[in-house]
Amino acid sequence: EAQVTQNPRYLITVTGKKLTVTCSQNMNHEYMSWYRQDPGLGLRQIYYSMNVEVTDKGDVPEGYKVSRKEKRNFPLILESPSPNQTSLYFCASSLAPGSIEAFFGQGTRLTVV
Amino acid sequence: QKEVEQNSGPLSVPEGAIASLNCTYSDRGSQSFFWYRQYSGKSPELIMFIYSNGDKEDGRFTAQLNKASQYVSLLIRDSQPSDSATYLCAASTGTASKLTFGTGTRLQVTL
Repeated sequence: EAQVTQNPRYLITVTGKKLTVTCSQNMNHEYMSWYRQDPGLGLRQIYYSMNVEVTDKGDVPEGYKVSRKEKRNFPLILESPSPNQTSLYFCASSLAPGSIEAFFGQGTRLTVV
Repeated sequence: QKEVEQNSGPLSVPEGAIASLNCTYSDRGSQSFFWYRQYSGKSPELIMFIYSNGDKEDGRFTAQLNKASQYVSLLIRDSQPSDSATYLCAASTGTASKLTFGTGTRLQVTL
């Protein structure tokens, strides 16, 4: 089954404690991205990756890091989380940017206290 | 000014009616447009995409694009309670590496 898998689904953490949200896709997609979704602000792109070892900033990259060492994995790293990073996060993958074949992961609800 | 704008709703329509969802965009370089459906607490799901001016139909859904006026719309015919969700409009340019989303319109289909 074609899917994008995120873990964990829910996470409560404390300010400053480094965390990683994993994302894995099994469709051999080249393009992957991370979004955060906040009430009234919609989905905003954090980082994207066009291929292995190729990553770039989206609209709201501050406070986040990513890596793309393998095609299937695209983890999101928060080195020092802050309460304003409390949000719902989605990983997505597609064959190409803006491709019709856009798949989203199940989402990770992060709370930073 | 937001790049992709939608009325947040809620838009309430009776079962069996036509629901009309609208979206405007500011970047004239936008070439591809997408409609996603998102149920509460779930991930977005692509339901329609359109690249060319005019209408595109897929089952009960019709997407309409007017590049001169910079708007995109989604019509849902014979609306069902299961259509109750938030509908996200998104745009991308031909070479862009991202989708720009609107904030979504919440649709409620009433019995």
